[in-house]
Amino acid sequence: AQSVAQPEDQVNVAEGNPLTVKCTYSVSGNPYLFWYVQYPNRGLQFLLKYITGDNLVKGSYGFEAEFNKSQTSFHLKKPSALVSDSALYFCAVRDLRWGGATNKLIFGTGTLLAVQP
Amino acid sequence: EPEVTQTPSHQVTQMGQEVILRCVPISNHLYFYWYRQILGQKVEFLVSFYNNEISEKSEIFDDQFSVERPDGSNFTLKIRSTKLEDSAMYFCASSDRQVDEQYFGPGTRLTVT
Repeated sequence: AQSVAQPEDQVNVAEGNPLTVKCTYSVSGNPYLFWYVQYPNRGLQFLLKYITGDNLVKGSYGFEAEFNKSQTSFHLKKPSALVSDSALYFCAVRDLRWGGATNKLIFGTGTLLAVQP
Repeated sequence: EPEVTQTPSHQVTQMGQEVILRCVPISNHLYFYWYRQILGQKVEFLVSFYNNEISEKSEIFDDQFSVERPDGSNFTLKIRSTKLEDSAMYFCASSDRQVDEQYFGPGTRLTVT
């Protein structure tokens, strides 16, 4: 079965320091991986994706993520955290069990990022 | 920048009543989805819709749920007889191609009393 794990419920980091939010996945084939961010009382905003190609993908707001096939990981990173980055971050994997026209996303449980000033 | 919109933002209903949640996906997108997020829990897939038919549904999406694209712009989720456990944030999403990222609307908070 396809699954995503976010091992940390919360990550605390000081403003200006680098941040990492961890994600590991389990799929039967090639993974399509995504990061979304959710601000309080808001919907999910797409940050970045990995489909194929370079293992380091860059996304919105200075975020990037590194795909590591051997470790089945897709950690989200940012070189210098901002207080405004404080939000709930979700890793998601596309379910590859179904071909054709489906594109079900399976989400992790989310990691709350708290950036202290 | 185009975005997915949802109405209403908050719906309160009594148990057993029917509700219709409305979504306007991004105009050139072909794939449509509903997800829900019970307070404090993960986002769960409900249903995907393509070419005017359901392409996949989850175990949650039972006979009480239905989706429809009544015209070229709207995409609706109907719950025929709401239960207390249907209380959640319901998100609509759309994507252009099968492999593309899904863009989510702001959500409708459904409260069943």
